[in-house]
Amino acid sequence: EPEVTQTPSHQVTQMGQEVILRCVPISNHLYFYWYRQILGQKVEFLVSFYNNEISEKSEIFDDQFSVERPDGSNFTLKIRSTKLEDSAMYFCASRRGLTTNEKLFFGSGTQLSVL
Amino acid sequence: DAKTTQPNSMESNEEEPVHLPCNHSTISGTDYIHWYRQLPSQGPEYVIHGLTSNVNNRMASLAIAEDRKSSTLILHRATLRDAAVYYCIPHTGANSKLTFGKGITLSVRP
Repeated sequence: EPEVTQTPSHQVTQMGQEVILRCVPISNHLYFYWYRQILGQKVEFLVSFYNNEISEKSEIFDDQFSVERPDGSNFTLKIRSTKLEDSAMYFCASRRGLTTNEKLFFGSGTQLSVL
Repeated sequence: DAKTTQPNSMESNEEEPVHLPCNHSTISGTDYIHWYRQLPSQGPEYVIHGLTSNVNNRMASLAIAEDRKSSTLILHRATLRDAAVYYCIPHTGANSKLTFGKGITLSVRP
């Protein structure tokens, strides 16, 4: 079955540094998402992306966050100036269509540790 | 988004059936009921979804109550690999995102 791939699997950074998390969604999918999960907590929605623009974002997705689909295959999440509380597992997801019948495919995540 | 209620946890023995319940009394008529699971240290994984009729696939069965206010995910023969957090998620057509709750943690005893 096709997969969503994420790199790196682990990222360690210093507080205040910029990080870019990378994702390759499934090739014929049109809708892309970032979620995060702080250790021991729920999976939280960050942002959805379609047609090269943000469709929806949560309160967590503030000005420090941005997303981009630079080359038609990669989908990136950038955190400009990381904070300790950004430490979490970040999941990328994609889906082919937007109907409620469509399932979401998730990557295996990037564990971000901010020191 | 429709609110869901699931027990916090459930235990099962290997090779036995498991019934994981979910209440979603505020679900709207056009919302599909999706189930995902999250194995330890992995991303969420699609399990099954349905609208009104009961559904079967290679992973599980989904039994949906006639009034659609509840559903039950059925694993016919639990394996150790089925130990995970299982999420019941009504998918609201107005939003493309899925909203995860706390889910139910399934433990499987050998």
